[in-house]
Amino acid sequence: NAGVTQTPKFRILKIGQSMTLQCAQDMNHNYMYWYRQDPGMGLKLIYYSVGAGITDKGEVPNGYNVSRSTTEYFPLRLELAAPSQTSVYFCATFGRVGTEAFFGQGTRLTVV
Amino acid sequence: AQTVTQSQPEMSVQEAETVTLSCTYDTSESDYYLFWYKQPPSRQMILVIRQEAYKQQNATENRFSVNFQKAAKSFSLKISDSQLGDAAMYFCAYAITNAGGTSYGKLTFGQGTILTVHP
Repeated sequence: NAGVTQTPKFRILKIGQSMTLQCAQDMNHNYMYWYRQDPGMGLKLIYYSVGAGITDKGEVPNGYNVSRSTTEYFPLRLELAAPSQTSVYFCATFGRVGTEAFFGQGTRLTVV
Repeated sequence: AQTVTQSQPEMSVQEAETVTLSCTYDTSESDYYLFWYKQPPSRQMILVIRQEAYKQQNATENRFSVNFQKAAKSFSLKISDSQLGDAAMYFCAYAITNAGGTSYGKLTFGQGTILTVHP
């Protein structure tokens, strides 16, 4: 039982490049989230999904896109990477609202 | 907009002493859950305690307890008998459970409080 798996763990991008951060969960959870955490700061919600085919913007969606075609996967797409997107990205999931959220190990992204 | 405010960027406590971390939140919804998560240097997020908004009784988990004041929208965490392993960043969070609300399912975090435990 892997839980929540994020790939890659580390990545360096050049300004203007694009990439997709992968998130996969094997718990059959409906709710999935993408957060970014800047150094010494809290988690800011980028996008979230309450089920396959349903996504919604969080606090800081600009520069990102998501899709949720299946329950298991919730990829986060960065288009035209900028230095302001340097951060640690976390994917999280839970089965029912109000229950414990399970987090991936995070992806440390640096844009240079 | 939903917000969670942790007004203490850093706190410190002596081992075996008690410390309280503050959290206030702002929502117009009536149905929600509140959480405290711990993030040690490993970056792993660990659930410490959770509280259902419709329950007046404060939640407790061993050395961790909360003071939930719904009218004041306050949700503080008390750590008793602090241990060196409690040193971490602590996040307050809440999730809307009102299925009719526009923010249903949204899980919002505060800025975090770094807790240092001195031996």
